Amino acid sequence: ELKVEQNPLFLSMQEGKNYTIYCNYSTTSDRLYWYRQDPGKSLESLFVLLSNGAVKQEGRLMASLDTKARLSTLHITAAVHDLSATYFCAAAYYGGATNKLIFGTGTLLAVQP
Amino acid sequence: DVKVTQSSRYLVKRTGEKVFLECVQDMDHENMFWYRQDPGLGLRLIYFSYDVKMKEKGDIPEGYSVSREKKERFSLILESASTNQTSMYLCASSQRGVRGFEAFFGQGTRLTVV
Repeated sequence: ELKVEQNPLFLSMQEGKNYTIYCNYSTTSDRLYWYRQDPGKSLESLFVLLSNGAVKQEGRLMASLDTKARLSTLHITAAVHDLSATYFCAAAYYGGATNKLIFGTGTLLAVQP
Repeated sequence: DVKVTQSSRYLVKRTGEKVFLECVQDMDHENMFWYRQDPGLGLRLIYFSYDVKMKEKGDIPEGYSVSREKKERFSLILESASTNQTSMYLCASSQRGVRGFEAFFGQGTRLTVV
């Protein structure tokens, strides 16, 4: 059974600082997704990582995937207040004709001025 | 743009009522999902469907059922609502294929059972 763990659950950081959110998953999965959720809003897709070694960057966020270590990271560079949100990772589970996404618990990021 | 629309943003229902949550997507996606979101627990999969009239249980199906009579519509049914089903419910859809299946989410329905 595929399980996804994220840490930390809560991250308070100052503007201008760097930090990394970690996403571990328990069984083989070669597709990893990162989402962002603003308070009271739905989930917005940030990154889709489709292979081992994949790295994607958008602005101050960079995501990477290591399928051998079953680990994805979301790195935040020089944080700004606008990045405050909850970030979720999700790993893909394949079951024959079916497939689904299993989500982590989320990381609530608060960027302080 | 993919659009996933949930029928209600907020609902208040009484214990024991039968509750229907509706979700419609406009991108001809094969897969549709229902998740519930609770603080500290992330998103937990209730049910999903990979084709019309096909459904599979997720991690927490107890107390719920689903219906998918048309490809674009996926309904979540609470047969007899209970207070522990107070939550945010999120519907999502995705393609099915080797290129991966990025899921697109609706705006969510915040259900309160009193």
